[in-house]
Amino acid sequence: AQSVTQLGSHVSVSEGALVLLRCNYSSSVPPYLFWYVQYPNQGLQLLLKYTSAATLVKGINGFEAEFKKSETSFHLTKPSAHMSDAAEYFCAVSDPGRGSQGNLIFGKGTKLSVKP
Amino acid sequence: DVKVTQSSRYLVKRTGEKVFLECVQDMDHENMFWYRQDPGLGLRLIYFSYDVKMKEKGDIPEGYSVSREKKERFSLILESASTNQTSMYLCASHPLIRDTNEKLFFGSGTQLSVL
Repeated sequence: AQSVTQLGSHVSVSEGALVLLRCNYSSSVPPYLFWYVQYPNQGLQLLLKYTSAATLVKGINGFEAEFKKSETSFHLTKPSAHMSDAAEYFCAVSDPGRGSQGNLIFGKGTKLSVKP
Repeated sequence: DVKVTQSSRYLVKRTGEKVFLECVQDMDHENMFWYRQDPGLGLRLIYFSYDVKMKEKGDIPEGYSVSREKKERFSLILESASTNQTSMYLCASHPLIRDTNEKLFFGSGTQLSVL
């Protein structure tokens, strides 16, 4: 079965510093991988997705993620944090074995805090 | 702009009450999902539906049921609410296409408190 592990439930960075949020997955087949962001009092919205077209994926708001098959990782990065990046971030992997397209397995989330 | 609308942002109910959480999408999507979000546990799938009147259990269906009488509407039902069902509930939809890399569209969530 597919699974997703996010290392670190809370990450705190200073404004302008590098953001690195870690995600490792297990999958028996080539996966589709996603990063979603949830701002306070809102639903989730897609940041970026990996679909095997390119290993380095660029998303919205300056975020990017690199798919590394050898490490089964899909870490999310941003070179310079902004106060508005404070949110909870979820890594997810598609699970076609669960019958319906769109069925995702989510990680437990990483809450990002940005200090001024 | 695409939209998934959940009828209530906050809801307070008493133990034993029957609770209905409503979700409507305007994108003509075939697939709809109900998730529960708890701190430290991420999102867990309760039920999903891939067609009208069709439903499938997710990872934590116990204590819940669903109804999908129309394509655009997917209801989550708590037959007899309990305090351990206090949580944030998120509805999502997804088009039925071969490629599973299409994104999920989420509603804003319903924070349910059961007293």
